[in-house]
Amino acid sequence: QKEVEQNSGPLSVPEGAIASLNCTYSDRGSQSFFWYRQYSGKSPELIMFIYSNGDKEDGRFTAQLNKASQYVSLLIRDSQPSDSATYLCAVNINTGFQKLVFGTGTRLLVSP
Amino acid sequence: DTAVSQTPKYLVTQMGNDKSIKCEQNLGHDTMYWYKQDSKKFLKIMFSYNNKELIINETVPNRFSPKSPDKAHLNLHINSLELGDSAVYFCASSQGTALGYGYTFGSGTRLTVV
Repeated sequence: QKEVEQNSGPLSVPEGAIASLNCTYSDRGSQSFFWYRQYSGKSPELIMFIYSNGDKEDGRFTAQLNKASQYVSLLIRDSQPSDSATYLCAVNINTGFQKLVFGTGTRLLVSP
Repeated sequence: DTAVSQTPKYLVTQMGNDKSIKCEQNLGHDTMYWYKQDSKKFLKIMFSYNNKELIINETVPNRFSPKSPDKAHLNLHINSLELGDSAVYFCASSQGTALGYGYTFGSGTRLTVV
């Protein structure tokens, strides 16, 4: 089982719709969860982080965490063509030292 | 005033050569990392340094040699380059290892071995 799993997509949504991106993780001890956005040819950019069960909202983005189900998701409301990118889920894993383990990313395509 | 800067941005070299990538951060962070992103976009940690001390060394061929002269700099030297080393290498930094705020990534070095 991979440490962090994401559907590679592409996930296609029309402009203005809600995009829902999902991620599962294997380490029950994980405490911190991150969503990064990566445009083609660019570096990953942190857009959200969440530590507690429930929802965390920041503008058009909402991160959702369910530790019992080992599941974290990212909702993007009012999707824009500029949101088209690969979204990487990252989870902290403690192997003596903390490290951030990434999923393979979900490619999002928002059509005008 | 780039937060995490890497040089060079592109590197094309022949098999068997030795090359280095440099990274510098001006965020005052004390932990730095090297990640490798392969052609399938999978981002995998290679090394981590905390205050110049190596704390994470994943299963990486010993042809890869990281070095941190101070907590603001982290370099990666690669000996005897192979075709499979072709990837984008990202440097990142964070404050401590508690992952309170995630990592800040550099712009990446695209290495192509021919």
